[in-house]
Amino acid sequence: SYELTQPPSVSVTPGQTVRITCSGHELGDKYVSWYQQKSGQSPVLVIFQDTKRPSGIPERLSGSNSGNTATLTIRGTQSLDEADYYCQAWDSRAVGFGGGTKLTVL
Amino acid sequence: EVQLVESGGGLVRPGGSLTLSCAATGFSFSNYWMTWVRQAPRQGLEWVANIDQDGNIKYYADSLRGRFTISRDNAKNSLYLQMNGLRAGDTAIYYCARTPHPHFDFWGQGALVTVSS
Repeated sequence: SYELTQPPSVSVTPGQTVRITCSGHELGDKYVSWYQQKSGQSPVLVIFQDTKRPSGIPERLSGSNSGNTATLTIRGTQSLDEADYYCQAWDSRAVGFGGGTKLTVL
Repeated sequence: EVQLVESGGGLVRPGGSLTLSCAATGFSFSNYWMTWVRQAPRQGLEWVANIDQDGNIKYYADSLRGRFTISRDNAKNSLYLQMNGLRAGDTAIYYCARTPHPHFDFWGQGALVTVSS
């Protein structure tokens, strides 16, 4: 499988901006997606094809991808953003997920 | 409304077999790749396998190839995962996900598989 690395946890105070990174070999050459998973729930797609948001995902969530690192940015963080976030990319015949980042809103 | 409903989970002895099903409604099932992803207790997401629209192309995680088989029946709008030689490490929630390549836009609620003696 394709290896992706995320920080295990990040924290932010309400209203601030937080960035969650995802690194992988030549990741900038692939499309990256991001999933939000709240406790006890199924994952939800929040970013696809590096920068696109599905219908219903607020504009304060955004994505970027360049070089070996993709980044999920959440602006004006709210308590409802507290969740685990996973990056994902498809490499040839294998799918990779990052290990997940637990976002805590202080 | 897109819906994916997994079934077939349960308790199975080590070495046993189990087949999961995923019933799809609300979209044209035969137009999409489909994927199985699992999540062990208190762990992250792990890709298991995916299958193309016609069932001709199948990809598996290296660690699972040979024990797990993905298949689909487009006439029944259903996805399957046959699991053999189950081990304690296979204990997880198994999700099916619609796959408009290369991402997963809708996920089911998951089916819990517990491998224990």
